[in-house]
Order: sequence, then structure tokens, then C-alpha cells
Amino acid sequence: QQQVKQSPQSLIVQKGGISIINCAYENTAFDYFPWYQQFPGKGPALLIAIRPDVSEKKEGRFTISFNKSAKQFSLHIMDSQPGDSATYFCAASYRGYQKVTFGTGTKLQVIP
Amino acid sequence: GAVVSQHPSWVICKSGTSVKIECRSLDFQATTMFWYRQFPKQSLMLMATSNEGSKATYEQGVEKDKFLINHASLTLSTLTVTSAHPEDSSFYICSAAGQGTDTQYFGPGTRLTVL
Repeated sequence: QQQVKQSPQSLIVQKGGISIINCAYENTAFDYFPWYQQFPGKGPALLIAIRPDVSEKKEGRFTISFNKSAKQFSLHIMDSQPGDSATYFCAASYRGYQKVTFGTGTKLQVIP
Repeated sequence: GAVVSQHPSWVICKSGTSVKIECRSLDFQATTMFWYRQFPKQSLMLMATSNEGSKATYEQGVEKDKFLINHASLTLSTLTVTSAHPEDSSFYICSAAGQGTDTQYFGPGTRLTVL
């Protein structure tokens, strides 16, 4: 119940294209869903986060779509750039409990 | 955004020695800090959670006598790998969260190599 399933494991997108990474969870108590971006040899950096009271959140080229009934959420990267090449982790936690459950990660490669 | 630092960024040590890694929250008070371990091409594995002034809570399978965690202040937590062996070689990452917040902010990580 504590798992967060993430797909795909790896993704290759052409520059200017849309990158889509999907996550699914089981624990309905989860109410905070952050996405982290990690470059090789660096710590993860918070990219964008959403709570289940909204279905979509957009920050620049990054959008989270959230489907509460399906217990799924996804990250869309519009106009993908080579600099977006990194590993992306979805995660989930619940209010008052800061411990986070991470997905397995998606390695994104944006090719020119 | 909130900034978390780690020191050192990389360390090489001989088998049997102890290594201390520091994690600092630079611009906020971190009531809770987390220590993770990450193997190549894998996700983050939570090792322990520490609250300021309290004993750390270790995840199942993590040896608390081997991985000593101290969270003595609201801006500093340390992880000491005692009697390190080659299998302890890994990327260690800390994160910090302020009171009443959900977001964890991560440090840049420490690469430990045990020879």
C-alpha cells in the first residue's frame, strides 16, 4: 500500500517534444505529490508538487495532472530541451507525516 | 527556495575507518532531517529519520550501530558510518523539512568510496 509505481523506466524524446511520466499509488491517505529532478552526481531538486484538491498544476513548461479517482498522477514536460535530460522521481506523502515514498525513477533523455 | 548543504561532497577512506557526513539547512530550521542511500541507477532508499533533539528512527534493515545519526540542532544533522567496508560505498543524500511542512529539500549528496 505504500508503493508508488512509476513508468516508464526510461524515455527518449526529441527536442521540442512532450515528455510524459506516469505514477500510480494505492494509499488513499496520500495527499501530497511532489516531483523531483535529479542530475547525475547531484541530490534531487523539487520540481513541482500538487495536492489532490486540484486536477492540474502548471509551472512554466512543467505540468502535473492528477486523477484522484484513478489514483494516478503524471508529469508533462512541454517543449522538452536537452537540459531537461535527468532522472525524474515522483513521490507521495500524507499530511503531518513528512516521510516520503518515492517512485522508481524515470531517466529522461532529450535528443537534439 | 530552501537550501541544504552537505559536507564533504566526496570522501575516500580505508576499510575499518569511520566517516562523518554533515547535513546543514542554511536558511531555515529543519525540525526533521532524513538520510537516504542511493545505488547507481536506483531510487532513493530511506535509511533513517531524525528529529532535532531526539533519537533517530531507522528503517528496517538499517544497522543503527553502524550508521550513527545525530541531530543536535535545528540546522545540523550528521551521519557517521562506523567501521566502513567496501559494501558501504554509495551515494548518501540528506534532506530537511521544516515544522508543519510537507516538502523535503535535498542536499547535493556525498559520494563515499571505501577501499
